[in-house]
Amino acid sequence: EVQLVESGGGLVQPGGSLRLSCAASGFTFSSYWMSWVRQAPGKGLEWVANIKQDGSEKYYVDSVKGRFTISRDNAKNSLYLQMNSLRAEDTAVYYCASSLGAAAGLFDYWGQGTLVTVSS
Amino acid sequence: DIQMTQSPSSLSASVGDRVTITCQASQDISNYLNWYQQKPGKAPKLLIYDASNLETGVPSRFSGSGSGTDFTFTISSLQPEDIATYYCQQYDNLPPLYTFGQGTKLEIK
Repeated sequence: EVQLVESGGGLVQPGGSLRLSCAASGFTFSSYWMSWVRQAPGKGLEWVANIKQDGSEKYYVDSVKGRFTISRDNAKNSLYLQMNSLRAEDTAVYYCASSLGAAAGLFDYWGQGTLVTVSS
Repeated sequence: DIQMTQSPSSLSASVGDRVTITCQASQDISNYLNWYQQKPGKAPKLLIYDASNLETGVPSRFSGSGSGTDFTFTISSLQPEDIATYYCQQYDNLPPLYTFGQGTKLEIK
C-alpha cells in the first residue's frame, strides 16, 4: 500500500524558515517523480515544486523560486521542502504527492498534508 | 502560463442527478488533463487522468471527456458520498508549471 506521510509543519514568523519532510512507503521511491502541492486556507490547490527520480531536475512555481528548495533522499525514501524567507501568503497545508503513472504531472497518491502557518 | 477556467464554482444537485463540470484551458493542452475529488479535511484523490481514463477503483459513474482546450467531468447519478470539491489540473508544460482550476464545490440539494 502506497503511503506518504508529511511532517515538519508549524507556526513560523515572517522571514523564518521551515523544513518539511515526506516519508514514502509501499513503492520504489527512487523510480518516480515527486511533488509538493499546497492549499491556502479555504482556497484551491497550487502545485509548488517537483523533483526527478535522481534529483537531477527540479522545478518550481514562480512565487517560491529562490526561497524554496525541493530535495530527496532515495536511501531514506524521503522527500523534503526547505522553505526560507517565508511570507504570510505561504500559509497553507502542504501535500506531498507521487507520480507513479507515466507522467510527472499526474498526482496519483497524496499524503494527509502538514499545515504551515506564517504569522507574527 | 496556461490558465484553467473551471465552472461552475458551486453546484447544488439532487441524489440521482447527472452532474457536469467544465474546464477550459487558455491554450491547447491535448489530453493532459486530470480531475481530482477533495472531501472536507482530506487530501485530494485522483479520479480521471488524461482527460478520460478512470483511475483504478473509482466508480464508473464518474467520467471525463474532451481534448484541446475544452473538457467535461460528469457524474452520471449523484450519490451522497460524492459531496466534495472537484478540481481539474493540466500538465502540458515543459518545463513543468502545473495548474489547477479554481474548483467546483458540489452540494446536495
